[in-house]
Amino acid sequence: KQEVTQIPAALSVPEGENLVLNCSFTDSAIYNLQWFRQDPGKGLTSLLLIQSSQREQTSGRLNASLDKSSGRSTLYIAASQPGDSATYLCAGNNNAGNMLTFGGGTRLMVKP
Amino acid sequence: EAGVTQSPTHLIKTRGQQATLRCSPISGHTSVYWYQQALGLGLQFLLWYDEGEERNRGNFPPRFSGRQFPNYSSELNVNALELEDSALYLCASSYEIHYNYGYTFGSGTRLTVV
Repeated sequence: KQEVTQIPAALSVPEGENLVLNCSFTDSAIYNLQWFRQDPGKGLTSLLLIQSSQREQTSGRLNASLDKSSGRSTLYIAASQPGDSATYLCAGNNNAGNMLTFGGGTRLMVKP
Repeated sequence: EAGVTQSPTHLIKTRGQQATLRCSPISGHTSVYWYQQALGLGLQFLLWYDEGEERNRGNFPPRFSGRQFPNYSSELNVNALELEDSALYLCASSYEIHYNYGYTFGSGTRLTVV
């Protein structure tokens, strides 16, 4: 059974800092890995999808990498802004079930 | 392109009642997934429907059930509501046979059981 862990659970940084959010998973047979953003009480917004044959994806100030052998994914946020404040979730699926297994999330606060 | 739509946005029910939540996937998506996010807890997988059939089920009691219609929209039914069923219920859709396209989530239904 796939288990996904995110560290840290919460993070507070001043505006402008570059930061890294970590995601680890127990089953290296992970197929796709997806990073989401969730604002309080809202649904999930997809940020980046790393497909099975890929190791990295970039969108604007965001960069996500995936290392299946070590069971890790990282989300890098460059030049953080107060608008980046949200909970960030990573989730993966495997060939067996196709549904996503989520980590507990990292709650990010970017202070002006 | 319209996203995943969920209705109602908010729902207040009394303990013991039944709740029905609805989800319309993105056009062309055949798979619908339901997740529960209780306050302070992570997202827990509930149900997966594809082509009208239940493909997988999370660790929830049978009073959580659902169905998928021919137009791929889906309903989640929760019978005999309990206080701990209060949560944000999220629906997602994807192309089932095309694993590489990721998942798109709706804005959720906030269910409150009093």
